[in-house]
Amino acid sequence: SQQGEEDPQALSIQEGENATMNCSYKTSINNLQWYRQNSGRGLVHLILIRSNEREKHSGRLRVTLDTSKKSSSLLITASRAADTASYFCATDLLQGAQKLVFGQGTRLTINP
Amino acid sequence: DTAVSQTPKYLVTQMGNDKSIKCEQNLGHDTMYWYKQDSKKFLKIMFSYNNKELIINETVPNRFSPKSPDKAHLNLHINSLELGDSAVYFCASSQTRTPRGNEQYFGPGTRLTVT
Repeated sequence: SQQGEEDPQALSIQEGENATMNCSYKTSINNLQWYRQNSGRGLVHLILIRSNEREKHSGRLRVTLDTSKKSSSLLITASRAADTASYFCATDLLQGAQKLVFGQGTRLTINP
Repeated sequence: DTAVSQTPKYLVTQMGNDKSIKCEQNLGHDTMYWYKQDSKKFLKIMFSYNNKELIINETVPNRFSPKSPDKAHLNLHINSLELGDSAVYFCASSQTRTPRGNEQYFGPGTRLTVT
């Protein structure tokens, strides 16, 4: 089964509201990263949080990491229509060759 | 000044044909990847190369053959295309784990349709 699983699979909210997406994983990690994918485009890196960090901020983004629960959350505050996209978490595994394992993504729709 | 570029963007071909996708990065990264994204948006790594050396080969059929002529280029050749190969293929690059991290930079994708 996949390393990363995201919840919910789809989320639809009103502009200005906050959006929270969750990611769970199975094995120990070096870091966890969040990416955004706009329709028909490649993925864009948003934020990286290391295994020894608990929270990180970047503009309207807030990421938390709980290694004891093997879970992370991405919060987007004051959402905008331009935030409509798919959001993926990706884990950099502690063991083995350097690679990222992606979750299946959360499709976020911001309604004007 | 595109960081990671892929060609072509769209590829429509018939079963049994052979096709290639090219990727180039101008970020000076030492590692490049090929991913396959299926119709459900699940993104799965296929290959990675570090300084032209194959590092990861994720149980991909041997009809898929990557080639890295130098660390800025990674091409993907697919023989005897099958219907199930239809997907979006993404190239990405990164720098081997640095203190800052190892975030990946993705190309725009190549949408392959096999008929």
